Amino acid sequence: DSGVTQTPKHLITATGQRVTLRCSPRSGDLSVYWYQQSLDQGLQFLIQYYNGEERAKGNILERFSAQQFPDLHSELNLSSLELGDSALYFCASSGSEETQYFGPGTRLLVL
Amino acid sequence: GQNIDQPTEMTATEGAIVQINCTYQTSGFNGLFWYQQHAGEAPTFLSYNVLDGLEEKGRFSSFLSRSKGYSYLLLKELQMKDSASYLCAVRDQSDSWGKLQFGAGTQVVVTP
Repeated sequence: DSGVTQTPKHLITATGQRVTLRCSPRSGDLSVYWYQQSLDQGLQFLIQYYNGEERAKGNILERFSAQQFPDLHSELNLSSLELGDSALYFCASSGSEETQYFGPGTRLLVL
Repeated sequence: GQNIDQPTEMTATEGAIVQINCTYQTSGFNGLFWYQQHAGEAPTFLSYNVLDGLEEKGRFSSFLSRSKGYSYLLLKELQMKDSASYLCAVRDQSDSWGKLQFGAGTQVVVTP
């Protein structure tokens, strides 16, 4: 158990819909990262937050957005969902030692 | 940007040793990580190298040569539970906030 929690574990929705994925970092970690992993694909970095502020952006679509709240939990919002958005979405957190610890992931299926 | 290359798949026998190579190109190296990922599960941290040399952690060791842009993960005394994907990830110096670029992963299959 990494100490990073994510909800929900599974999500099934339809094309065109919007979903919100939630992540709580390890206690004391200020950085939160979001990754997407499609079937047979590597981990693709989406976005990073540090203490509530956006710090780095990767290959994140305009239909996707994220935020980190004062209690440090983070949410990833995916809208106008397409079949190709079906993937595992991981959240990771890091502290001063900068090693990223991953949550269990949310498996999203868009039908 | 970074290019990270690692073999797609490797097969080895239980009890044997396997070495997974990773080569990278980066404008400013600032650390290399290895993660293990079982299918459908979260990546779990294995090792971190920022200086040249070998880091040993039980059955797992990781080596780094910054001048060659090269690392390897050595898995000794293989067990069936070691069947997983092994991900090499590099942090770039230009990104002081710790973003990692991951390789596509090496699927290790351990056979009886």
